[in-house]
Amino acid sequence: EVQLVESGGGLIQPGGSLRLSCAASGFTVSSSSMSWVRQAPGKGLEWVSLIYSGGNTYYADSVKGRFTLSRDNSKNTLYLQMNSLRADDTAVYHCARVMGGAVFDYWGQGTLVTVSS
Amino acid sequence: EIVLTQSPGTLSLSPGERATLSCRASQSVSSSYLAWYQQKHGQAPRLLIYGASTRATGIPDRFSGSGSGTDFTLTISRLEPEDFAVYYCQQYGGSPRYTFGQGTNLEIK
Repeated sequence: EVQLVESGGGLIQPGGSLRLSCAASGFTVSSSSMSWVRQAPGKGLEWVSLIYSGGNTYYADSVKGRFTLSRDNSKNTLYLQMNSLRADDTAVYHCARVMGGAVFDYWGQGTLVTVSS
Repeated sequence: EIVLTQSPGTLSLSPGERATLSCRASQSVSSSYLAWYQQKHGQAPRLLIYGASTRATGIPDRFSGSGSGTDFTLTISRLEPEDFAVYYCQQYGGSPRYTFGQGTNLEIK
């Protein structure tokens, strides 16, 4: 069974850093494309970043230069390093597996990041 | 960037009724890259439809997707109590870039 479990969220001050983790089971992260998608409180879904199985990474303009996506193949885990956090980064962050490069077929429950002083 | 506009924002129906949700794109979208998701309160989104009309694994056949170009539709033929949720359309625009509609809240009348 495919499962994705996020962790690492919390309350952080503006300008601070946080690293999110997404532990996968039931499939191999390194053989898949994976993404982070966020959802601000009471709002819709926003794609954040993508890593292809080959390792290339891509980012939404809103986080480019501040967020870094990586993975640890030995732990079957995805990471999102978030620096220079701003209030508008406040959201639940979901990791998701990408099917066919185009759709998100499995999602984690998400971890809440709150950026506030 | 392609913008997806969903309508209506809120749809109030009763169990057993038919639901028709619309997703309109600001420019033409490949049908291969249009998907629909269901999200219940406090839960992760669930993939319902991909390729505009293909049901994902385990999705009941009362859910169907159709459309092409700039106009896409999600239809739920007979609403069950568990179908009341928020529904999002999503497109893949290359580069890569992914965009979502703002959602339709399907509520019990």
